[in-house]
Amino acid sequence: DAGVIQSPRHEVTEMGQEVTLRCKPISGHDYLFWYRQTMMRGLELLIYFNNNVPIDDSGMPEDRFSAKMPNASFSTLKIQPSEPRDSAVYFCASSLRFDGEAFFGQGTRLTVV
Amino acid sequence: KNQVEQSPQSLIILEGKNCTLQCNYTVSPFSNLRWYKQDTGRGPVSLTIMTFSENTKSNGRYTATLDADTKQSSLHITASQLSDSASYICVVSDGDYKLSFGAGTTVTVRA
Repeated sequence: DAGVIQSPRHEVTEMGQEVTLRCKPISGHDYLFWYRQTMMRGLELLIYFNNNVPIDDSGMPEDRFSAKMPNASFSTLKIQPSEPRDSAVYFCASSLRFDGEAFFGQGTRLTVV
Repeated sequence: KNQVEQSPQSLIILEGKNCTLQCNYTVSPFSNLRWYKQDTGRGPVSLTIMTFSENTKSNGRYTATLDADTKQSSLHITASQLSDSASYICVVSDGDYKLSFGAGTTVTVRA
């Protein structure tokens, strides 16, 4: 398996635009996590899915953020409309169990100008 | 409020030397504690996962310890190498599917 794959690696967009981040988890992993990392706040869990179902989205900062997992091999994190304070590195991770070893993707560096 | 405090915030060591990173937590109940290594520009990579009953766990030159009574963990790096330069993040899981993250310790190994 190639590991967790995220796209794009870098995204620069203007304030107010819609941004969609994509993630392909490791095959067979039942859990998928979306994280955000900034210098100020460190690593934060935004939302996680179990068997494609969103379980806890309490980390999603605002209604501008939404995440979907239409099938076991694909998930998206959407920000609409984007704001400069959304600039961060967004990571996707997957694992067999919630408490198990999580495998992270390379991340998407988002810059909103 | 569940918290995870890591120290020091950063440290610089010479290649070949040992160092120890600290992680103190107030998470309760406790499920497990993980140490991740994050190279610059990369995603975190798991080093160790420790449950309540485990005191020590090693992964190569990395050794993690856990004292569940005092709610403290440490990560010891032996004979450091330049490739150990990274951020090390401590993550604690409670029994209710909640994760608490430390701010990380940045380690710089110099030749």
